[in-house]
Amino acid sequence: GDSVTQMEGPVTLSEEAFLTINCTYTATGYPSLFWYVQYPGEGLQLLLKATKADDKGSNKGFEATYRKETTSFHLEKGSVQVSDSAVYFCALSPPGTGGFKTIFGAGTRLFVKA
Amino acid sequence: EAQVTQNPRYLITVTGKKLTVTCSQNMNHEYMSWYRQDPGLGLRQIYYSMNVEVTDKGDVPEGYKVSRKEKRNFPLILESPSPNQTSLYFCASSALRDSLDGYTFGSGTRLTVV
Repeated sequence: GDSVTQMEGPVTLSEEAFLTINCTYTATGYPSLFWYVQYPGEGLQLLLKATKADDKGSNKGFEATYRKETTSFHLEKGSVQVSDSAVYFCALSPPGTGGFKTIFGAGTRLFVKA
Repeated sequence: EAQVTQNPRYLITVTGKKLTVTCSQNMNHEYMSWYRQDPGLGLRQIYYSMNVEVTDKGDVPEGYKVSRKEKRNFPLILESPSPNQTSLYFCASSALRDSLDGYTFGSGTRLTVV
């Protein structure tokens, strides 16, 4: 079945370091791909998305590119801040489900030190 | 403010005592869904609803019930809770036309069953 695999955390970085969180997926066809962020004590918020191959989603300095050939959607940021400390979830919606069957990865916790 | 409101935020209960977690949204969204979040497993879908009186099972529906009598409300019912239902629960919603734009999540309900 469809699934999402994320790198295990926690990831600990110093402020202004470069961030990569790996995400790979298994799905038939062309799913829509998402990154959500969860700050402490809060619900998930959509960070960015991509709906077709080679699309690049971006928001708040974060980017991710939909790579069909490697079935990946890695999250990157050039210079992290302490305020980026959160849990990041990669997710997919299988084609034909209209976005109503979203499958989430296990989440990757990021700590950024000042 | 557009939001999804869950109550209560925290709940400790005993095995077998029926409980209801409420979820309400003020965005006139047709689609609503319940997820549970467990360490290492990410979010798993329990039930979802495409509109009033239309509900369907997600990936882990056993032990849960839902109802959708009004568009804004989507309560989650545990008729006989067990310790393996100890988890963090999230309600989410979206407009049907915007489902591929991601969901709006509530702040979560942490449930402990002893």
